[in-house]
Formats: sequence, C-alpha cells, structure tokens
Amino acid sequence: IAGITQAPTSQILAAGRRMTLRCTQDMRHNAMYWYRQDLGLGLRLIHYSNTAGTTGKGEVPDGYSVSRANTDDFPLTLASAVPSQTSVYFCASSDYGGSEAFFGQGTRLTVV
Amino acid sequence: GQNIDQPTEMTATEGAIVQINCTYQTSGFNGLFWYQQHAGEAPTFLSYNVLDGLEEKGRFSSFLSRSKGYSYLLLKELQMKDSASYLCAVRDSGNTPLVFGKGTRLSVIA
Repeated sequence: IAGITQAPTSQILAAGRRMTLRCTQDMRHNAMYWYRQDLGLGLRLIHYSNTAGTTGKGEVPDGYSVSRANTDDFPLTLASAVPSQTSVYFCASSDYGGSEAFFGQGTRLTVV
Repeated sequence: GQNIDQPTEMTATEGAIVQINCTYQTSGFNGLFWYQQHAGEAPTFLSYNVLDGLEEKGRFSSFLSRSKGYSYLLLKELQMKDSASYLCAVRDSGNTPLVFGKGTRLSVIA
C-alpha cells in the first residue's frame, strides 16, 4: 500500500442496506476525513478525525457514522442507505494542522 | 459560517495564460489550498498560501490577499492536459478540515 487506499472502487447498493466504505493510509497521518462529491455541489465534509480515538461531524453527517480505532483506518458506515446517498466518496488524510490533505481514489456509490 | 466562491466554468486557448479567482469568507484563516481534479479522478494538491503574496511552482502560481479574502491560481503556457476542475479550499484554524469551493471546470481548446 502506498498513500491512501479506498475500497470498494464502486458499488451498487439496494436502498435500506448497510454498507461500510473502507479507507486505509500508510503515511501515519494524524487526521483523516470523509467527503462526498456531487455535481454542482463540490466536495462536502461528512465526518473527520483529528487523531485516533476522536471523531467529529462535518457539514453533511446525517445517515453516516465513522470510527477511528487506530491511526491507519477510518471506515465510513451507511446504516440504512437511501438514494440521496448516491455520490462519489473521497477519503483524505493530512499530517498535522495546516498541511495539505491527500486523497484516496474515491468510491462511486449508487443506491437504488 | 464559511463561504468560498469561484467561477463555475472557464475556457482558454492552448498556450495562453488563465487566472482562476477564489474569494472566501471564513471565521478564521490558516491557509488556502488549490487542487486539480481530472474527470473521474481524485483531487491532487497544487499549491498552498498562508501569507500574502505570490507562490510560484513552474507553470502554476497562486496568489493570496488575506485582507481581501481573495486568491487566484495562474496557469501559464496552457496545455490540453490542464483541462480539469480546479478546487479552492480554506482551512479556517489550526486543525480544522479543509472547506472546498464548488470548483472551476477549465477547458483548454486548440
């Protein structure tokens, strides 16, 4: 693994199903983030974690949950998917306050 | 609240110079970032400004005026591969996540 990796790359999901998007980084970055990107709306923050064991809510947290059990992993869970959660999801990480964020390759999720 | 504005779309000619503007209103300020995103790909970091002035990196330069809440990204000697979306993002204090504008889609034409 080099950098930040997301899985799966794409997924079609039935409404009402539970889904966890995985994100792993090997850069030992303290902070990790989940964004969703929708046409015309740009990147919007869902949840973030400044360090292992802590999480915070972003601009659009409803319907999503996260955990940060260790430095490397930051999974995003949709408890009961709805069509409005159809989006491209990006995980990102940064080294310390003030530095740039590095992005994973994204997960394209379609909820039908 | 935070507000970051940038033009939705721009078109420029191969070999020319283009300036993409970004204005922001945030409660605090700890850096402005520019990212490039090709269609279907992840955003990649281009530049960072925390002090007023111009930062130059090859064909790309970024300018910041904190008093005006204004930045621009300047792309010189445009190439077809520069066709992409350019995202302006601001961090409003030490450890907070980046807040992104909606992005500017740049089309480079021959």
